[in-house]
This record gives sequence, C-alpha cells and structure tokens, in this order.
Amino acid sequence: EVQLVESGGAMVQPGGSLRLSCAASGFSFTSYAMSWVRQAPGKGLEWVSAISGSGRSTDYAASVKGRFTISRDNSKSTLYLQMNSLRAEDTAVYYCAKDLFDWYFLFDYWGQGTLVSVSS
Amino acid sequence: EIVLTQSPGTLSLSPGERATLSCRASQTLTTTYLAWYQQKPGQAPRLLIYSASSRATGIPDRFSGSGSGTDFTLTISRLEPEDFAVYYCQQYGSSRLTFGGGTKVEIK
Repeated sequence: EVQLVESGGAMVQPGGSLRLSCAASGFSFTSYAMSWVRQAPGKGLEWVSAISGSGRSTDYAASVKGRFTISRDNSKSTLYLQMNSLRAEDTAVYYCAKDLFDWYFLFDYWGQGTLVSVSS
Repeated sequence: EIVLTQSPGTLSLSPGERATLSCRASQTLTTTYLAWYQQKPGQAPRLLIYSASSRATGIPDRFSGSGSGTDFTLTISRLEPEDFAVYYCQQYGSSRLTFGGGTKVEIK
C-alpha cells in the first residue's frame, strides 16, 4: 500500500524558515518524480515544486523560485521541501504527491498534508 | 500559462441524479493531458480521471470523463452520498501544469 506521510508544518513568522518532510512507502521511490502541492485555506490547489526520481531534475513555481528548495533522499525514501523567506501568502496545507509516471506532473497518491502558517 | 475555468462553481443535486461538470482551457490541450480530482473536506485530493477519459485505479465506473481541445467534462452518472465533494481539473505533462478553481457538488 502506498503511503505518504508529511511532517514539519508549523507556525512561523514572516521571513522565517521551515523544512517539510514526506516519508514514502509501498512503492519504488526512486522510480517516480515527486511534487509538493499546496492549498491555502478555503482555496484551490497550487503546484509548488517537483523533483525527478533520480533527483537530478527539479522545478519550481514562479511564486516560490529562489526561496524554496526541493530535495530527496532515495536511501530513506523521503522527500523534503526547504522553505526560506516565508511570506504570509505561503500559508497553506502542503501536500506531497507521487507522480503517476516520472516527470508527468499527474498525481496518483497524495499525503494527508501538513499545515504551514506564516504570521507575526 | 493555460488557465482552466471550471463551471458551475457549485452544483446542487440530489443522490441518484446525474452530475455534469465542465472544465474549459484557455488554450488547446494538444495531448489531452487533462485530469480530474475529487477532494472531500479535510482530505487530500484523489485522482479520478487522467488523459481526459481514463479512470484511475479503483475508481467506480459511474465516473467518466470526456472532451478534447479546450472543452472537457466529468460526468457522475448517479450520485452516491460519498460523491458530494469538490472536483478539480488539472492539465499536466510539464511543470507549466495548472489546476482549475474547482466545482463543489453539494446535496440539494
């Protein structure tokens, strides 16, 4: 059974940093790209960042480029999102999501989400 | 950026009725890389349909997708109580992916 379990969400002040983690199990982690998708309270879905199965390719939404860094540790089947220079508009539930293929940006499994709240 | 516009914003229907949800793209999707997700309150989205009309694993056949070009439709043939939720369309295939704003299917 595929499982994705996010952690690391918290309340942080504007300008602060946070590192999210997503522990994966039940599938061959190295074979699939992974993404972070966020959802602001009461709003729709916004893709944030993706990383290929090997970790060699990454990409970011314009809204987070230069502030967020995605990475993965395939030996631990874990995905990360380092979030720096956080802003109020980054407040959202952050989901990690597994790509149905590698680098298709089509998400067949999602974690339960972790809440990031940016407020002074 | 390809903008996906979903309509209606809210659909009020009774169990057993047919639901028809629309997703219109601002540009032609030449590869029909169009997906539909269901999201219930407090839960993560669930993939229902991909490639416009292919059901994801485990999705009941009352859910069907159709369309091409710029106009796509998700149809729920007979609403079950568990189908009342928000539905999002998504175009994929590159990092220029986008989601629609969602359609809420509520109990009338």
